[in-house]
Amino acid sequence: KNEVEQSPQNLTAQEGEFITINCSYSVGISALHWLQQHPGGGIVSLFMLSSGKKKHGRLIATINIQEKHSSLHITASHPRDSAVYICALHLGFGNEKLTFGTGTRLTIIP
Amino acid sequence: DVKVTQSSRYLVKRTGEKVFLECVQDMDHENMFWYRQDPGLGLRLIYFSYDVKMKEKGDIPEGYSVSREKKERFSLILESASTNQTSMYLCASRARPILYEQYFGPGTRLTVT
Repeated sequence: KNEVEQSPQNLTAQEGEFITINCSYSVGISALHWLQQHPGGGIVSLFMLSSGKKKHGRLIATINIQEKHSSLHITASHPRDSAVYICALHLGFGNEKLTFGTGTRLTIIP
Repeated sequence: DVKVTQSSRYLVKRTGEKVFLECVQDMDHENMFWYRQDPGLGLRLIYFSYDVKMKEKGDIPEGYSVSREKKERFSLILESASTNQTSMYLCASRARPILYEQYFGPGTRLTVT
């Protein structure tokens, strides 16, 4: 069983729609990352969360540690938001590695 | 701005060749990582290094080795490239302690023919 699961795997939406991408995990963590990967490869860190909620522009990330669940929301989606969004876990202090989900491919249609 | 650079964006090599992929970061980060990314499998850790000359195996180290002679530079070596090593290779770096962002390079798409 994977330690981290993302849903949906693929998501297509119209420009302007509110987008939600989910990440569920089965292990204790010290932090959770949301990453964005555009076509061509480069990965950018969007958020790092250990509790609560963070907001940056039209992006909002939330985490519920008790339920082992995080969501990434995009408000007023735009075609430039089309990318793969990846959830990654820090499993705990003393463990330098990240554990990655397989990603959600988001396509926003104009 | 943190910069993680990789020596090539695209590389084509023949089976059996020795391949060097270089990664350089400019933020004095202790931790550096090499991943490969394949469709449907996500990012998988090959090796990481938490200090100069220190290395640890990741989840898929077979067929790879690494070198970290200077803090800013982390090299991935394919001793004898095989077609199943055709993949996207991504380098990353991160400061210690653990609760810091991880910064990724642009990736090298390696094709082994």
